Amino acid sequence: GENVEQHPSTLSVQEGDSAVIKCTYSDSASNYFPWYKQELGKRPQLIIDIRSNVGEKKDQRIAVTLNKTAKHFSLHITETQPEDSAVYFCAAKSQISNFGNEKLTFGTGTRLTIIP
Amino acid sequence: DSGVTQTPKHLITATGQRVTLRCSPRSGDLSVYWYQQSLDQGLQFLIQYYNGEERAKGNILERFSAQQFPDLHSELNLSSLELGDSALYFCASSVTFRTYNEQFFGPGTRLTVL
Repeated sequence: GENVEQHPSTLSVQEGDSAVIKCTYSDSASNYFPWYKQELGKRPQLIIDIRSNVGEKKDQRIAVTLNKTAKHFSLHITETQPEDSAVYFCAAKSQISNFGNEKLTFGTGTRLTIIP
Repeated sequence: DSGVTQTPKHLITATGQRVTLRCSPRSGDLSVYWYQQSLDQGLQFLIQYYNGEERAKGNILERFSAQQFPDLHSELNLSSLELGDSALYFCASSVTFRTYNEQFFGPGTRLTVL
């Protein structure tokens, strides 16, 4: 089955600097890669996603890149702000049966701390 | 607020007991997913239902079962509870089961097994 690895597990950056979180996946058939942000004690929320037919997607200060050949994708946050402090999860959607059933496999998370 | 509701918020019980967690999806969503979030294991997919039928199964233990009712709410039943079952259990919903449909997460139920 699909395996998603996420690095680093913790990341501290100065406010205003950029943060990069990287994920690799194992199933070359995975075709959808969402990123979720989870603030302390709250639910995961989708912040950006990318489909396998796209190499890069940007939404204001957040961007995601996908390299299908290398099977890795990354989250980039520029001009970081204190409210960016949270745990970020990458995920990959893969097929788990011949009947079109799919599931999201999550990475283990990156705790991002923005230092004021 | 995602529109997904979960009850109860917190549950404290003893080993060997059985509990039921409840989830109501967003209005109009037909697909419900259950996830377990442990401290050291991130978000683990348990099971998915679509319009009342089981659609996909993940790493769900045999002691756990779920169902989705005609009104589309879902229940996750955990039995013969062990200390290791202590975790945050999230329900998520999406419009259908299609690949690119966003999953909206509920606030979670924190289960503590003593």
